[in-house]
Amino acid sequence: KAGVTQTPRYLIKTRGQQVTLSCSPISGHRSVSWYQQTPGQGLQFLFEYFSETQRNKGNFPGRFSGRQFSNSRSEMNVSTLELGDSALYLCASSLEKTGHEQYFGPGTRLTVT
Amino acid sequence: DAKTTQPNSMESNEEEPVHLPCNHSTISGTDYIHWYRQLPSQGPEYVIHGLTSNVNNRMASLAIAEDRKSSTLILHRATLRDAAVYYCILIYSNSGYALNFGKGTSLLVTP
Repeated sequence: KAGVTQTPRYLIKTRGQQVTLSCSPISGHRSVSWYQQTPGQGLQFLFEYFSETQRNKGNFPGRFSGRQFSNSRSEMNVSTLELGDSALYLCASSLEKTGHEQYFGPGTRLTVT
Repeated sequence: DAKTTQPNSMESNEEEPVHLPCNHSTISGTDYIHWYRQLPSQGPEYVIHGLTSNVNNRMASLAIAEDRKSSTLILHRATLRDAAVYYCILIYSNSGYALNFGKGTSLLVTP
C-alpha cells in the first residue's frame, strides 16, 4: 500500500506570494492533518480534517488555510507569504477517527525569499 | 492540554535495551499516551500508543504507571537505526485531535 504522498517536495517562493501544498493520504484513510516544522519552533500542529470537515485548528494566523476533498486528499494554502513561513510542511493521515496511528508523508520544503 | 516532560537526550549501546521515560503528572482519564519518533531527515513515525494497560507491538513496548502519571517506552534491542528524536504525546480523542510534539528525547545509539 502506498504511503502518504506530498507534492511538491521542494518549493521556493517570494514574500507576498501565495502557495498551495497537496497531500494524498494512504488509501482508505479519512483523517488528514498538517504540521509545520522549523528549527526554532519544532513541530507545530496546523489543522486536521476528517470527512471534509475541519475538526481542529492550531494557533496559526488566518493566512494558513486548508481543505479536504471527498476523496480525502487535502490541500493547504498559505497566502501573503512571509520569510518566517519557510519550513518543512508535513501531512499525516490516519485510518481512525480518533487519530491514533498517524502516518506522515515526507513533507514539502518551502523556502520564502 | 496536559503536558509531558522528557529528558533532552539519552545514550545507549547497540543491542542493549533502552528505557525512555515520560512524565505526565496532569494527565486526564481520557488522554491517550502516544509515542512517535523522527529519524534524521524524515517525517515522524508512529511507534505505539496506550491508555491504561501496557502495550506491545513489533517496534516497542509501552509501560504505563498504575497512576498513569508516567510512562516508559522500551526498545528491547537498540539498533543504530533507532537513533532518533522520540516524542511522548498525550491525545484527548473526542471530536478531533492534535499532536503537540514538544522537544522530545534525542536518542544516541553507539556501536
